[in-house]
Amino acid sequence: AQSVTQLDSHVSVSEGTPVLLRCNYSSSYSPSLFWYVQHPNKGLQLLLKYTSAATLVKGINGFEAEFKKSETSFHLTKPSAHMSDAAEYFCVVSEVGNEKLTFGTGTRLTIIP
Amino acid sequence: DSGVTQTPKHLITATGQRVTLRCSPRSGDLSVYWYQQSLDQGLQFLIQYYNGEERAKGNILERFSAQQFPDLHSELNLSSLELGDSALYFCASSPRGIDQETQYFGPGTRLLVL
Repeated sequence: AQSVTQLDSHVSVSEGTPVLLRCNYSSSYSPSLFWYVQHPNKGLQLLLKYTSAATLVKGINGFEAEFKKSETSFHLTKPSAHMSDAAEYFCVVSEVGNEKLTFGTGTRLTIIP
Repeated sequence: DSGVTQTPKHLITATGQRVTLRCSPRSGDLSVYWYQQSLDQGLQFLIQYYNGEERAKGNILERFSAQQFPDLHSELNLSSLELGDSALYFCASSPRGIDQETQYFGPGTRLLVL
């Protein structure tokens, strides 16, 4: 069975400082992992996707994530936070043989001016 | 803009009523998925259709049903509505509906049951 755990429900960082949103996954088979972002009153937008081609995945808006199999982690990072990054971020897993996406509980990112 | 459209954006109705949510997938996508986002349950997969046929089912209540039409748009029907059905309902689409494929989400329909 597939599942993800987002370790922080809320993260606050100052503008211009690094962002780290943590995600651990559980999967019986080789997983695909995603990060989606949801801005207030908006839909879900794909930030990036891991599919085993490379462990460091670069996404949109300067975000990237590193797949670490030994730690079953897929943390999302950004070197320098911008006010427009304030949103809810979801770590998502999909494994072989399972068409559905399983979402984490989300991490709300607040940017302090 | 993902290319997935959903109507209506907002829906307010009363308990016991029935509503229909509509979704048009991205051009070329054959598969449609429905998800429910609520405060207590988070984001949950409801059901998937591929080229008009049901392919996968998740935590969908018996009061809820869906279908995908020949033009590939999909409708989610919610009946005998309860207060707890108030949620944001998302539709997503993907090209082939296979495992590990990226799904593109619409803006959602916010349902409020009073």
